[in-house]
Amino acid sequence: NAGVTQTPKFQVLKTGQSMTLQCAQDMNHEYMSWYRQDPGMGLRLIHYSVGAGITDQGEVPNGYNVSRSTTEDFPLRLLSAAPSQTSVYFCASRRHETGELFFGEGSRLTVL
Amino acid sequence: AQSVTQLDSHVSVSEGTPVLLRCNYSSSYSPSLFWYVQHPNKGLQLLLKYTSAATLVKGINGFEAEFKKSETSFHLTKPSAHMSDAAEYFCVVSRDTGRRALTFGSGTRLQVQP
Repeated sequence: NAGVTQTPKFQVLKTGQSMTLQCAQDMNHEYMSWYRQDPGMGLRLIHYSVGAGITDQGEVPNGYNVSRSTTEDFPLRLLSAAPSQTSVYFCASRRHETGELFFGEGSRLTVL
Repeated sequence: AQSVTQLDSHVSVSEGTPVLLRCNYSSSYSPSLFWYVQHPNKGLQLLLKYTSAATLVKGINGFEAEFKKSETSFHLTKPSAHMSDAAEYFCVVSRDTGRRALTFGSGTRLQVQP
């Protein structure tokens, strides 16, 4: 049981470049989400999805796009990277019955 | 509205001594409360959860937390620290299992000295 898988683990971008962070889960969870983690700020919600075809914004959505074409996958796209998007990104899915979040191991992104 | 405050950004203890990580919350609703642990370069893992059943909640690795409504607190404790407990700990409040209801604290980094 792989749980939540994120790729890549590390990425360096130049300002203005685009990229996609991949996230996949094999637990058949309807709810998936993306967070960014910055020192001293905990985790902040970027976007989330409550099922295939449904996405919504979290508290820090600007500069990021998401889509949810299947239950398993929830990619996060940066269309034009900025240095302010340097962060560690976590994907998480949630078990509906208990509310427990299951996290990937994170993707460390540096934008120069 | 809901919020969560972790009162200490860093806590340092000696191996074998008790651990106390403090969390206060505010919520307009009866909250669910969680503690998550994050080891270096890893994702977050659930330690324990309170959902309006017993106020003293036992979690993994000997941790427990007590929900005190009158003090709006959910402090995390462990009687005896191990070196492997060194990590960052997050207190999380949730109104329910709804859409945007999860709010994370800013984290407490626990150091365990030999």
